[in-house]
Amino acid sequence: GAVVSQHPSRVICKSGTSVKIECRSLDFQATTMFWYRQFPKQSLMLMATSNEGSKATYEQGVEKDKFLINHASLTLSTLTVTSAHPEDSSFYICSARPSVTAVEAFFGQGTRLTVV
Amino acid sequence: GIQVEQSPPDLILQEGANSTLRCNFSDSVNNLQWFHQNPWGQLINLFYIPSGTKQNGRLSATTVATERYSLLYISSSQTTDSGVYFCAPNNDMRFGAGTRLTVKP
Repeated sequence: GAVVSQHPSRVICKSGTSVKIECRSLDFQATTMFWYRQFPKQSLMLMATSNEGSKATYEQGVEKDKFLINHASLTLSTLTVTSAHPEDSSFYICSARPSVTAVEAFFGQGTRLTVV
Repeated sequence: GIQVEQSPPDLILQEGANSTLRCNFSDSVNNLQWFHQNPWGQLINLFYIPSGTKQNGRLSATTVATERYSLLYISSSQTTDSGVYFCAPNNDMRFGAGTRLTVKP
């Protein structure tokens, strides 16, 4: 299967600072990328969908000014958590696929964010 | 978006037993993916299946698109099968709540 690399795998930051998470497709061009967050013992909650070169489409209830998503190239998307607070602590996972629809999506390893 | 319901929510098996996990979806889908999330959080692609049946070792999946459901079969379960199994319609990649499987030795 295709490889999606997410970095960092773990990050601890102070409250009020910003954190950037990178998601790279290593062996294919990712037309579409997805960002999720997952709380313990819960499912993956879709935060936003981004198509390369376009603004991300955010799910209802997700603050776009707090969770900045950039998908500037076909192999890289970034999620920046701005002014992080302890309640933003979570497991963030990205996914990528080589087409807008109808093809298989692959997932990164996830990033565990802890805000202290 | 498409609503996804998975059942059962939790399943405990003895090693060697077989199981069936179900995924119902509220609308027609282009395709459906099954995933296994391991204890470290990594999602492993199991199947990408719009309709019909696919098999991969001890696992197989069947999607009946006209009736809006998909089944994941695990045969001769092993402790390494433990984890959470998710399905997601490929249209919008929103996940069901998952089935948490525990396989006991």
